[in-house]
Amino acid sequence: AIRLTQSPSSLSASTGDRVTITCRATQGVGSYLAWYQQKPGKAPKLLIYAASTLQSGVPSRFSGIGSGTDFTLTINCLQSEDFAIYYCQQYYSHPFAFGPGTTVDFK
Amino acid sequence: EVQLVESGGGLVQPGGSLRLSCAASGFSFSSYEMNWVRQAPGKGLEWLSYINNRGDKKDYIDSVRGRFTVSRDNTENSLHLQMNTLRAEDTAIYYCARGVGTAVTPKPYFDYWGQGTLVTVSS
Repeated sequence: AIRLTQSPSSLSASTGDRVTITCRATQGVGSYLAWYQQKPGKAPKLLIYAASTLQSGVPSRFSGIGSGTDFTLTINCLQSEDFAIYYCQQYYSHPFAFGPGTTVDFK
Repeated sequence: EVQLVESGGGLVQPGGSLRLSCAASGFSFSSYEMNWVRQAPGKGLEWLSYINNRGDKKDYIDSVRGRFTVSRDNTENSLHLQMNTLRAEDTAIYYCARGVGTAVTPKPYFDYWGQGTLVTVSS
């Protein structure tokens, strides 16, 4: 089974900051990598799919890059509503796996 | 508007059974594969199961294979998860999620999620 790691596990940032989260897969997943945002008490929300394609309605300050085993989510000019947990997910092969999550909180 | 609404969660004793449902609306349910994902309290997301659009292909994570069964009723626009022999470690919020692919990236990612239903396994 493909496993995902994320770094950092948590980070503290301020509004206006640029934030970068990395996701690494134990095997290549091509571009079949998605990023989700989850806020307390809410379901995950799709941000990016196919490693770099922004889901409709997601602000352009979110971007993703990568292929194979190494991926990055970047949030430019962090806004107050961006403080949340971010998960990567590979959907290349079953069992689909999520990364352990990265908590972005307020510095 | 796409909506997924889970139901059926609750408190169950270890070894017991529960059947979760996910009511879908706002899209052509029979055209999409569906998934179940769970989240233990304070923990991350864990994919559990998938079922294709026709209901004739299914897969599970090893920890629930043989105990959980996914099914769907395309006439009722509903997805189900029959959970048997429940364990304390099955305590979680259970989400259903729609899988969607594109012509460029045919493997399906999860674009819509329900709000989740809480399952608590405890004596």
